[in-house]
Amino acid sequence: DGGITQSPKYLFRKEGQNVTLSCEQNLNHDAMYWYRQDPGQGLRLIYYSQIVNDFQKGDIAEGYSVSREKKESFPLTVTSAQKNPTAFYLCASSKSYNEQFFGPGTRLTVL
Amino acid sequence: QKEVEQDPGPLSVPEGAIVSLNCTYSNSAFQYFMWYRQYSRKGPELLMYTYSSGNKEDGRFTAQVDKSSKYISLFIRDSQPSDSATYLCAIGAGNTGKLIFGQGTTLQVKP
Repeated sequence: DGGITQSPKYLFRKEGQNVTLSCEQNLNHDAMYWYRQDPGQGLRLIYYSQIVNDFQKGDIAEGYSVSREKKESFPLTVTSAQKNPTAFYLCASSKSYNEQFFGPGTRLTVL
Repeated sequence: QKEVEQDPGPLSVPEGAIVSLNCTYSNSAFQYFMWYRQYSRKGPELLMYTYSSGNKEDGRFTAQVDKSSKYISLFIRDSQPSDSATYLCAIGAGNTGKLIFGQGTTLQVKP
């Protein structure tokens, strides 16, 4: 089955700790995206990548980092510099500059 | 002014009602328009995608775009309790693949 997988489903972070969220797709999509969703709010773009080994900052990139070493994978690291990381994180991919398809999400909580 | 405005609701309707969900946008450069459905604690699911003014129908769902008024709508006919979810509009422009999301409207369909 083609699709986008995210892991883990739930993640807990202690103060000062870096954590990495996984996103994998087997849709052969070129572009991948990371969004953050807070309660009652729409999705805000963190980072996006249109090709391997290249990525751009979105609207709220501070405190986050990404890599794109493989077409299928786009991991997101939430660093200790992100002061309010508790949120629902969504990964998406698209074949062209059009429809984006989303994974199931990772819920990150700071302890 | 936000680039995309969407009434957050909540909207509550009886089963079988026609539902109208709306978004307005400010930038006439936006070229393509999407509606996503998001169940609680799940990733958004693409419902409708269109890039031209007019109507697009898919089963009980109709997407309507009025570029002259910068206004998009999603109509749901014969609404069902399983339609209870948050509906997000998303609008894109150019060749960056970036989407701007509305805040989302929470819909409850009561049996």
